[in-house]
Amino acid sequence: EIVLTQSPDFQSVTPKEKVTITCRASQSIGSSLHWYQQKPDQSPKLLIKYASQSFSGVPSRFSGSGSGTDFTLTINSLEAEDAATYYCHQSSSLPRTFGQGTKLEIK
Amino acid sequence: QVTLRESGPALVKPTQTLTLTCTFSGFSLSTSGMCVSWIRQPPGKALEWLARIDWDDDKYYSTSLKTRLTISKDTSKNQVVLTMTNMDPVDTATYYCARDSSGYYYAFDIWGQGTMVTVSS
Repeated sequence: EIVLTQSPDFQSVTPKEKVTITCRASQSIGSSLHWYQQKPDQSPKLLIKYASQSFSGVPSRFSGSGSGTDFTLTINSLEAEDAATYYCHQSSSLPRTFGQGTKLEIK
Repeated sequence: QVTLRESGPALVKPTQTLTLTCTFSGFSLSTSGMCVSWIRQPPGKALEWLARIDWDDDKYYSTSLKTRLTISKDTSKNQVVLTMTNMDPVDTATYYCARDSSGYYYAFDIWGQGTMVTVSS
């Protein structure tokens, strides 16, 4: 089973700041890594698929990069509405796995 | 428009069997490459993938839960059913169904709103 480790677990940031969240896989997964945003009491929403492809309707300030074992979600010019928990997920192999999540707090 | 909706009991007793239904619209589970997965999230905790059923009826399960899970589909009703036996309080969680497909590299592109299940006597 592939283990995904996100860092940091928690980050407090100010609006307009640039945020970087990383996800490291326990073995190479190519580009089969996806990012989700989950706001309180809501279902997760797909932001980035296949490491760097933006999902339909996602604001352009969200971007993804990486391949192999190391991946990054970047949020440029953070907005108050971006307060949420972010998860990475791998679809390289079964069973599917998720990272432990990164909670973003807006100061 | 693609939608999924989970339904099932809000409360189950320990040792009982949980049956959850995912009713979807906007796509067909008989289309090549289409899949539906179940994912759960205990309160305040991370997401955990449980099971997946594919358009060709292939089924896949969480390694740690495979002995307790069964996934099935009724293509004519656009439904996917998940059963989990021998429920325990640690299984208290919000249970989601989500679509994934080869067309989206098996990312979960659309999720249901989730159904909260509490396991308590």
